[in-house]
Amino acid sequence: DTGVSQNPRHKITKRGQNVTFRCDPISEHNRLYWYRQTLGQGPEFLTYFQNEAQLEKSRLLSDRFSAERPKGSFSTLEIQRTEQGDSAMYLCASSPGTGVAEAFFGQGTRLTVV
Amino acid sequence: QKEVEQDPGPLSVPEGAIVSLNCTYSNSAFQYFMWYRQYSRKGPELLMYTYSSGNKEDGRFTAQVDKSSKYISLFIRDSQPSDSATYLCAMGTTDSWGKFQFGAGTQVVVTP
Repeated sequence: DTGVSQNPRHKITKRGQNVTFRCDPISEHNRLYWYRQTLGQGPEFLTYFQNEAQLEKSRLLSDRFSAERPKGSFSTLEIQRTEQGDSAMYLCASSPGTGVAEAFFGQGTRLTVV
Repeated sequence: QKEVEQDPGPLSVPEGAIVSLNCTYSNSAFQYFMWYRQYSRKGPELLMYTYSSGNKEDGRFTAQVDKSSKYISLFIRDSQPSDSATYLCAMGTTDSWGKFQFGAGTQVVVTP
């Protein structure tokens, strides 16, 4: 499968715990994006990377959230001290690079904070 | 007011009918436009991508962009039950290639 891969697919955690999600983009795609989607809403932008550089972050990305893309390959999104409001689908997407906006999404990681 | 507005539906059509979906937007800086299909509990799947105004056709799908009216449409011909899903519009500007604004999605139900 050469699409965007996200792991885990589902995560249930207790409030206050830390969680980390992983995204493997399509090979040779320079840009990688993280979005969050809640029930009945469209995805909301969180952050994106051009290779290993994090170019933009949404104000939705509070201090408890951190994203990395070491070596410009896979990316991780960590949420510290999870809250019930963090429960959502976390989506990762990738695209070839500057001048091409076509973004391909993974299947998402569904986070439930209890 | 949201930058991108999309009727949530549900939109119910009989099999074989044309499905007509649309989004309106307020930011005149949007230059590229996408339509995604999303099945329940799955990630969005890219259907159509267009840059600037005009029409684009791909199989049973036609995307239209009218920048003067800030209005985009997606038409699905010969609809099938497998087209039942939520359809999301997304758009962005060339000075921020990675940041897309999505509509809330329209749920489509195609009945056999």
